[in-house]
Amino acid sequence: KAGVTQTPRYLIKTRGQQVTLSCSPISGHRSVSWYQQTPGQGLQFLFEYFSETQRNKGNFPGRFSGRQFSNSRSEMNVSTLELGDSALYLCASSEITGPGGEQFFGPGTRLTVL
Amino acid sequence: GQQVMQIPQYQHVQEGEDFTTYCNSSTTLSNIQWYKQRPGGHPVFLIQLVKSGEVKKQKRLTFQFGEAKKNSSLHITATQTTDVGTYFCAGGSNSGYALNFGKGTSLLVTP
Repeated sequence: KAGVTQTPRYLIKTRGQQVTLSCSPISGHRSVSWYQQTPGQGLQFLFEYFSETQRNKGNFPGRFSGRQFSNSRSEMNVSTLELGDSALYLCASSEITGPGGEQFFGPGTRLTVL
Repeated sequence: GQQVMQIPQYQHVQEGEDFTTYCNSSTTLSNIQWYKQRPGGHPVFLIQLVKSGEVKKQKRLTFQFGEAKKNSSLHITATQTTDVGTYFCAGGSNSGYALNFGKGTSLLVTP
């Protein structure tokens, strides 16, 4: 099976802009989670989608949003970008929802906000 | 909310030495997972522990889950340069859907 894919791999934006990141899970996986990774904070959970429904949301402002499509592909949107949003954004897919499923991570999207 | 603390933040060892990273939670966990992230790569699942006091081994790696299900450890025997990377623990809760990741332990192994 093909692994988790994320597009684009790299993005450079300026403050105030908005950005959309895409994630295609492993075939058959219906759960997609998004994480923000920064050197100081490690891996921070953004949200999880399962069967097109948001199951859980981390402690991030409303500027961060997401959605999942019927084919399980997911998108994450960040509006009104801030310098602090510069990070590696990882998505992970799993066969099951919740904390008990093995997470298969994609390569990530490196976002730089100038 | 649930927090997962991981120590040490960094560890530098000589090849052949042992290495241990510890994970502690403020609340009882339903399960704990361990991941390894190589430099420039993405986290890769290593193992999951669910039972109190559980111990699992993968070659030179030994994983333990505490009796109270609030702590866990990963021990590597006789490190090799291929062990270089950041090791993350991630705890699950019966009251939440999300895995909470520790900040990771970065391991550097010099030959």
